[in-house]
Amino acid sequence: GAVVSQHPSWVICKSGTSVKIECRSLDFQATTMFWYRQFPKQSLMLMATSNEGSKATYEQGVEKDKFLINHASLTLSTLTVTSAHPEDSSFYICSAENRGNEQFFGPGTRLTVL
Amino acid sequence: RKEVEQDPGPFNVPEGATVAFNCTYSNSASQSFFWYRQDCRKEPKLLMSVYSSGNEDGRFTAQLNRASQYISLLIRDSKLSDSATYLCVVKSMGAGNMLTFGGGTRLMVKP
Repeated sequence: GAVVSQHPSWVICKSGTSVKIECRSLDFQATTMFWYRQFPKQSLMLMATSNEGSKATYEQGVEKDKFLINHASLTLSTLTVTSAHPEDSSFYICSAENRGNEQFFGPGTRLTVL
Repeated sequence: RKEVEQDPGPFNVPEGATVAFNCTYSNSASQSFFWYRQDCRKEPKLLMSVYSSGNEDGRFTAQLNRASQYISLLIRDSKLSDSATYLCVVKSMGAGNMLTFGGGTRLMVKP
């Protein structure tokens, strides 16, 4: 139980394009999902908290207009990196919280912007 | 000062050794504590929650000292497969039940 999937697992795109990443909780409902970013040899940094049916809460320094989050259902949250640039290249990981307040992580999406 | 601090290591130990990791946190209002394991280029996976009374899961023992704001993880009889980065994670109640991650401690178990 408590499986979280992400799609795609990796993506390479040109600078200026937008990339959408999906996060799904496969066997439980998650009212809250979290989006993290991890640069090489660094720990996970929370980008935003995604609540089903309401606007996401962004951490300080994260541009909400650049990283669009939609949490339209209890099993799906999406992160869209708009007008991606090379400095956005990173490992993006989502997590979903179950009723027991435990967070389970997706396998991550490796984004490379050329 | 970082909210959750860990010695980055690496800790290089032989198979069968006992190794201990420490972690300190700065937010005295922190409510829940966890150890996660992260393999290279993979997502973190929950290893165990940490309780005030201390808890054990097989070869792994976790302890929490709220007065000193200190968490530990002890691994006995290390296996090659224990090689990974161990993340100390703290949850503070408040907006969004967010997790705060330490920088991780890298463990390398050698034959």
